[in-house]
Amino acid sequence: DAGVTQSPTHLIKTRGQQVTLRCSPKSGHDTVSWYQQALGQGPQFIFQYYEEEERQRGNFPDRFSGHQFPNYSSELNVNALLLGDSALYLCASSLFRGGANVLTFGAGSRLTVL
Amino acid sequence: AQSVTQLGSHVSVSEGALVLLRCNYSSSVPPYLFWYVQYPNQGLQLLLKYTTGATLVKGINGFEAEFKKSETSFHLTKPSAHMSDAAEYFCAVTPWSGGGADGLTFGKGTHLIIQP
Repeated sequence: DAGVTQSPTHLIKTRGQQVTLRCSPKSGHDTVSWYQQALGQGPQFIFQYYEEEERQRGNFPDRFSGHQFPNYSSELNVNALLLGDSALYLCASSLFRGGANVLTFGAGSRLTVL
Repeated sequence: AQSVTQLGSHVSVSEGALVLLRCNYSSSVPPYLFWYVQYPNQGLQLLLKYTTGATLVKGINGFEAEFKKSETSFHLTKPSAHMSDAAEYFCAVTPWSGGGADGLTFGKGTHLIIQP
């Protein structure tokens, strides 16, 4: 049983560009959350998608947007990239009514902005 | 609003010694608490969680943690460290009022080093 898969694993962009990261949740999960992990820091909650809608959002600007598809997979889009957006982006899936938010994390997409 | 403070960005212990990783939280509502572990180039893996009930929680790989409301703490322990325990450990909190479905607030992490 595949867990959470993310693509691409690594990518390099320049300031001002746009990036799209993709995530396939663990089989049976219906909720996808995205986290940003800067070097040497803990993950920070970006947003969560459930039933194809953004259910909750952390303290991130509107440059960060997302989407959830009917098959529960998800995309994270970041526009007008800044140097500070360089980070590991983690996707986590869960079952919304599973309780206690037990997340299954992917290995992440490492974004470098030059 | 919630916050998590992990004391010590790096902790070094000898193989076979007690592991103690400290976590203090701040939450305006009763919390759910978690410990996650991250190995190099991997995602986070759940070690254990506290929701309600017994305040001493046992997790995988011999780890356990005790929820102390009066001290707003959720320290992680393991009686005897193994070389394979070397990793980054994160404490996280989410409000009970969200049914456990809300986003997690993580601490900055503690890098555990095991000396042979």
